[in-house]
Amino acid sequence: QLQLRESGPGLVKPSETLSLTCTVSGGSISSSTYYWDWIRQPPGKGLEWIGSIHYHGSSYISPALKSRVTISVETSRNQFSLRLRSVTAADTAVYYCARQFWTGWWIDPWGQGTLVTVSS
Amino acid sequence: QSALTQPASVSGSPGESITISCIGTSSDVGGYNYVSWYQQHPGKVPKLMIYDVTSRPSGISNRFSGSKSGNTASLTISGLQAEDEADYYCSSYTSSSTLVFGTGTKVTVL
Repeated sequence: QLQLRESGPGLVKPSETLSLTCTVSGGSISSSTYYWDWIRQPPGKGLEWIGSIHYHGSSYISPALKSRVTISVETSRNQFSLRLRSVTAADTAVYYCARQFWTGWWIDPWGQGTLVTVSS
Repeated sequence: QSALTQPASVSGSPGESITISCIGTSSDVGGYNYVSWYQQHPGKVPKLMIYDVTSRPSGISNRFSGSKSGNTASLTISGLQAEDEADYYCSSYTSSSTLVFGTGTKVTVL
């Protein structure tokens, strides 16, 4: 059964860079069928799609975050990563990594999520 | 890209049917059959309920059904049960090759 797990600092200072890694287990990240996504959810608010990446490196990023986001993939480690630059308090959220089926852009499964707080 | 529009809340009594709407544009919901629905209980991870507008993943009750007309997608829950009380989000592929989520709907079982 495929599982995803987010890891990274739970606290980031304003203006710094948020870095998270998603480790995929129970399956290979190197499949043409899937993209690998980052999604976030501020406390008490709705879901926001950040972006997605394919194992061969092609990616799609939300226009709202494009200037600050980099998503990368490391197939040898079965991992993909998120970097969000110049963070503010508005970036405080639970960050989820997930698998996306490219044929229909639906997302399943999701990681457990990790809360990242932006504060000095 | 703007979030898809959902009602903030919908409620119903046990056994009743409710429908949640998801309003987009011709550049997302109306342009593609790539609408999905997710259920999220408080403090839990979102769960895929419907994909490709009408398809149910294995293990999802047939009480959940999806449809679309024009720029509006809908999720119907029939035979409402207490365990259905949760937040529900729609999502759609867009013409910009991005994904957009709905604003979310809180379902209350009276």
